[in-house]
Amino acid sequence: DAGVTQSPTHLIKTRGQHVTLRCSPISGHKSVSWYQQVLGQGPQFIFQYYEKEERGRGNFPDRFSARQFPNYSSELNVNALLLGDSALYLCASSLEWGSGNEKLFFGSGTQLSVL
Amino acid sequence: GESVGLHLPTLSVQEGDNSIINCAYSNSASDYFIWYKQESGKGPQFIIDIRSNMDKRQGQRVTVLLNKTVKHLSLQIAATQPGDSAVYFCAENTGTASKLTFGTGTRLQVML
Repeated sequence: DAGVTQSPTHLIKTRGQHVTLRCSPISGHKSVSWYQQVLGQGPQFIFQYYEKEERGRGNFPDRFSARQFPNYSSELNVNALLLGDSALYLCASSLEWGSGNEKLFFGSGTQLSVL
Repeated sequence: GESVGLHLPTLSVQEGDNSIINCAYSNSASDYFIWYKQESGKGPQFIIDIRSNMDKRQGQRVTVLLNKTVKHLSLQIAATQPGDSAVYFCAENTGTASKLTFGTGTRLQVML
């Protein structure tokens, strides 16, 4: 079975541009979360979606938005890119939501470089 | 805000030795903890988890210990192998959502 898949794997943008990152969860998983990982640090929570609804949001500006589709795939959008948005963006899926004991399975991420 | 932290940024061990990676957490409300392994160019890979009602949990070559009194978590890797070289993160979940708080990570270097 395929794991969490993300596209593209690498992306180069310039300041002020917009970017869309895509994620397909593990088959059967209904929850998708997005994390940002800056080089040398641990991942930081951005969003979580379950059954197409936003269930959690981290401390990120409104330039960051996301959505989940009926097939449970998800997109992360970032507007007006800043140099500081350069990071590895990770998508994670889990089978359930709400128990507090969900195991998150991560994709390999999209490496975004903002020039 | 409260967060998960790690004592040592880099740990070097000889192949075949046991490795112990430590993690301190400050949120007493945390009730679920996970260890992840991240290799270069890859996303975090689930290793083992433990709930707050447990003190110890064992997997294949790995053991996680939880000491709630001092808010300390450790990952023990037996007979460390070159393939264990990676950055290891502990993460905690304090609520009902799948929102994990990660530490900065410990790099494990296995010397041949």
